[in-house]
Amino acid sequence: GESVGLHLPTLSVQEGDNSIINCAYSNSASDYFIWYKQESGKGPQFIIDIRSNMDKRQGQRVTVLLNKTVKHLSLQIAATQPGDSAVYFCAETFTGGGNKLTFGTGTQLKVEL
Amino acid sequence: EPEVTQTPSHQVTQMGQEVILRCVPISNHLYFYWYRQILGQKVEFLVSFYNNEISEKSEIFDDQFSVERPDGSNFTLKIRSTKLEDSAMYFCASTTRRGNEKLFFGSGTQLSVL
Repeated sequence: GESVGLHLPTLSVQEGDNSIINCAYSNSASDYFIWYKQESGKGPQFIIDIRSNMDKRQGQRVTVLLNKTVKHLSLQIAATQPGDSAVYFCAETFTGGGNKLTFGTGTQLKVEL
Repeated sequence: EPEVTQTPSHQVTQMGQEVILRCVPISNHLYFYWYRQILGQKVEFLVSFYNNEISEKSEIFDDQFSVERPDGSNFTLKIRSTKLEDSAMYFCASTTRRGNEKLFFGSGTQLSVL
């Protein structure tokens, strides 16, 4: 079946640097994408979402980029802080999918002081 | 900020026993979900629930699983006869409407089947 996958299982960055977390998706019918952050022992926490009629969306210190041509999604975190250390998941769904999300494998972001 | 709450945070049970995991979704939400995450693996969809009935379920959600909204606030997941492979973190989620809306997740119940 179609699935969402992540390229990098672990990403280490220095505090203050920008982080980029990547995600590849394979379901061409997906039209809604979400990034979640999961800290140890907690549930997924919504970070930012993007619909397929956009290619970029910005939030507070975060930007999501969507490239539908190559089915690629990325999350950029500006000025990464120690509190950003967590596992980041991308998730996808499609209109008519009833909010049934397909999650990627996850990327562990480690922020070094 | 309103949040989805789940109890208990940890549940240990013997294989073959029944467990009930409880969730209180955000009060004005209408669509409810259970997901699970086996250690080191992806978060997986189990079931969606709306208007007191199951909307969709995955292959994982077999006859051993059931969901219920017994009153106006709780949403439960029951596993009738637990298996070792049911050990996972179970997340409840809710949202306001169907279709391309962000889900709000609870902190999860860690189920350990011995």
